[in-house]
Amino acid sequence: GENVEQHPSTLSVQEGDSAVIKCTYSDSASNYFPWYKQELGKRPQLIIDIRSNVGEKKDQRIAVTLNKTAKHFSLHITETQPEDSAVYFCAASIDFGNEKLTFGTGTRLTIIP
Amino acid sequence: GAVVSQHPSRVICKSGTSVKIECRSLDFQATTMFWYRQFPKQSLMLMATSNEGSKATYEQGVEKDKFLINHASLTLSTLTVTSAHPEDSSFYICSARPGTGAIEQYFGPGTRLTVT
Repeated sequence: GENVEQHPSTLSVQEGDSAVIKCTYSDSASNYFPWYKQELGKRPQLIIDIRSNVGEKKDQRIAVTLNKTAKHFSLHITETQPEDSAVYFCAASIDFGNEKLTFGTGTRLTIIP
Repeated sequence: GAVVSQHPSRVICKSGTSVKIECRSLDFQATTMFWYRQFPKQSLMLMATSNEGSKATYEQGVEKDKFLINHASLTLSTLTVTSAHPEDSSFYICSARPGTGAIEQYFGPGTRLTVT
């Protein structure tokens, strides 16, 4: 089955700087890669996703890049703000039928004011 | 759009009793719902995939007789924790896919279960 590794487990950046979180996956058939943000005690919220037919996707301060050959994808947050502090999870799935998401272990991002 | 609700948000029960958690898709029909368990400071662990009108598919190591899942309609799935024990205390989260052909999952707010 799919295995998703996520690094780093914790990340602290100064407000205004950029943050990068990286994930690798094992199943070359995976073709859907979402990122979720989870604040303490709350639901994971989908913040951006990418499919394997594109290499990069951007939404305002958030971008995701995908390298299918190397089987890794990354989340980039620019101009970080205190409200970006949360736990971020990457995930991978095959876009077919009822395929499940396999989650990474999460990254606790802290933005230092 | 794509709002998922869960009820209750918190529940405390005694050992040996059963607890039912409801997951509803409020503004879309969900043929597939997923149930996850999350321990403090850990990732989401998939327990089972629930399909409307059919039996749930459980992940390896998850006891189907202990965690009963019913997906009776396109907007409601329930998870019943039977004969609960303190080790079942956890944060249970459901998610739903908005219709056939969709891949995105939207999560409910979670239910914190404490078994005393």
